[in-house]
Amino acid sequence: SQQGEEDPQALSIQEGENATMNCSYKTSINNLQWYRQNSGRGLVHLILIRSNEREKHSGRLRVTLDTSKKSSSLLITASRAADTASYFCAPYSGAGSYQLTFGKGTKLSVIP
Amino acid sequence: DTAVSQTPKYLVTQMGNDKSIKCEQNLGHDTMYWYKQDSKKFLKIMFSYNNKELIINETVPNRFSPKSPDKAHLNLHINSLELGDSAVYFCASSQGGTAVYEQYFGPGTRLTVT
Repeated sequence: SQQGEEDPQALSIQEGENATMNCSYKTSINNLQWYRQNSGRGLVHLILIRSNEREKHSGRLRVTLDTSKKSSSLLITASRAADTASYFCAPYSGAGSYQLTFGKGTKLSVIP
Repeated sequence: DTAVSQTPKYLVTQMGNDKSIKCEQNLGHDTMYWYKQDSKKFLKIMFSYNNKELIINETVPNRFSPKSPDKAHLNLHINSLELGDSAVYFCASSQGGTAVYEQYFGPGTRLTVT
């Protein structure tokens, strides 16, 4: 399994603004997943995007995938204080192991 | 209904002790996992397990062992606890046997070794 690298490490925005975080990975993937972790809680799955997809939406979330650049981005529109959390990407290569490897995440703070 | 539950939520114990953390999922999933999140919030896979295969991350000391009495449970047993074992441990589960499916995480067990 390979690890994604999230960027930036930390992001602070005002409520109502959009938040964009990026993920880069090294080798070809089968899919890439985004997760959110609120402080002191377990991870919550947000979106899974497959290698043959370029964009996916879920409510205020928009994920893009550029396999040529080996990168993905997560956009949260009209952010809310409740979006304050750490966000992790998990690229999955599909090479036998079904384990996911998480990076250090992007810590998002939404200021009311 | 809680999908993935862990007990206890907090565990404080002394070096050298043996302890277990329990995990149960009521999602009917085939695969369960254990992760360790250290103080820097780095989340690392320790084990993945279904009824056919146990995959152990090579960096995990053999003091850690998963035990699965049935498909809905994957407990984590830790022998001879060390200070460096202090962390938050998360259990997770997923449908099927591949990471194509999303994983559902438990609330975590904060282990403190003194």
